[in-house]
Formats: sequence, C-alpha cells, structure tokens
Amino acid sequence: AQSVSQHNHHVILSEAASLELGCNYSYGGTVNLFWYVQYPGQHLQLLLKYFSGDPLVKGIKGFEAEFIKSKFSFNLRKPSVQWSDTAEYFCAVSRNSGYSTLTFGKGTMLLVSP
Amino acid sequence: EAGVAQSPRYKIIEKRQSVAFWCNPISGHATLYWYQQILGQGPKLLIQFQNNGVVDDSQLPKDRFSAERLKGVDSTLKIQPAKLEDSAVYLCASSPALTAGLTEAFFGQGTRLTVV
Repeated sequence: AQSVSQHNHHVILSEAASLELGCNYSYGGTVNLFWYVQYPGQHLQLLLKYFSGDPLVKGIKGFEAEFIKSKFSFNLRKPSVQWSDTAEYFCAVSRNSGYSTLTFGKGTMLLVSP
Repeated sequence: EAGVAQSPRYKIIEKRQSVAFWCNPISGHATLYWYQQILGQGPKLLIQFQNNGVVDDSQLPKDRFSAERLKGVDSTLKIQPAKLEDSAVYLCASSPALTAGLTEAFFGQGTRLTVV
C-alpha cells in the first residue's frame, strides 16, 4: 500500500517569501501525484497533478511542483507567497492503474502574514 | 458544472446515537469515495464505489459504519452507534470512471460531525 509523508505540519511565512513544502511517498510502482489545497471554510481543491512527462508541473495561482523519482518526492513550491495563500496543503498519491484511490499526507497548514 | 453536494453541513449527536450523511456526486462520475478527516490529519479513505459496486472498504469499521450507493448515483454513509472518536469531517468525492488510475477527485464541502 502507498503512503505519503509531509515534512512540516505548520509553516509561517511573511508575504513575498518563497515557499517549499516537502512531500515524500512510498510505493514501488508507477504513481500519479497531486497537491490539493483547502482554503478556510472551503472544500478541497486540486492545485496541480503529475501523471507523466515533464517532472516540473505548474498549477494554479503560481504554484509548481517537481517530481524527483529517485527521491520519491513531489515538493510544492511558490516563489512569492501572498496572504491569500493561507490554507492547508495536502500531498496525495494514487497508483497509476486500475481502481486506485487517493492516499493523503497529514497536511501542512500555511499561514502567511501580511 | 455543479460540484459534489453533501448534507448536512454540520451534525451534533450524542454517543450511541445513529447518524446518516448524504452525497450527490458530479453527474456522470462513476466513482464515489467517502473519506474521514480527523482534526490535524489528512483524509482517510473509508469506502470506494465504482457505479453501485464496492471496490474498496478495507478501512471501513463495518461493525458501526455502513454505506450504500443506490442506482450508482447518490450515496449515504451511516454510523450506528456513534462513538466519541467518530468526531470528524466526512468528505465525499467523485471522479470519472477509472481505467488507468485516478485522474482527479472532486470533493464536496464535507459534513462536520461532533459526537458528545
């Protein structure tokens, strides 16, 4: 079974700071990788996803993530955060076959101070 | 496009009572998931349906939890009897039919259950 580890439970940044949230997964086969975001009071929304091809994927709102297969990692980055990026961020993985499900990490709560 | 609808949004019950949650997935989505999200943790899969058949319910506490998806559309999740540790947000998600893995799951707002 696959599992996901997110390195930081809480991150506090000032506006304009750069962001990197760590995510590692464990699964021996081919995977699909996702970052979901949950803004206060809202539902989980897809931020970006990786299936194959270019390991650097770009998502909404200036976010990007890089898949490094050798490190089983899929870290999320943003060069300059805004107050509106305050949210909880979840990394998730699914098998790239059949009736797969999303396995989530525990999440990282990002607080951006103005 | 209408999203995944869930009701109720909030529910408070006493332990040993029963409760039911309802989910209406995005039209045409064959796959439906119920997740449990305890405060401070990521969502944990309880059960996955493909149309009206169960694909994975390995983490569903079957002594107290049950779920059904009639006619392959709406779904209900029931807890009977509830325990204090069932306090959580229950998320419903749907995705198009799976052929070669999951492409994207769309989530509802969730139902926040408090058991007192």
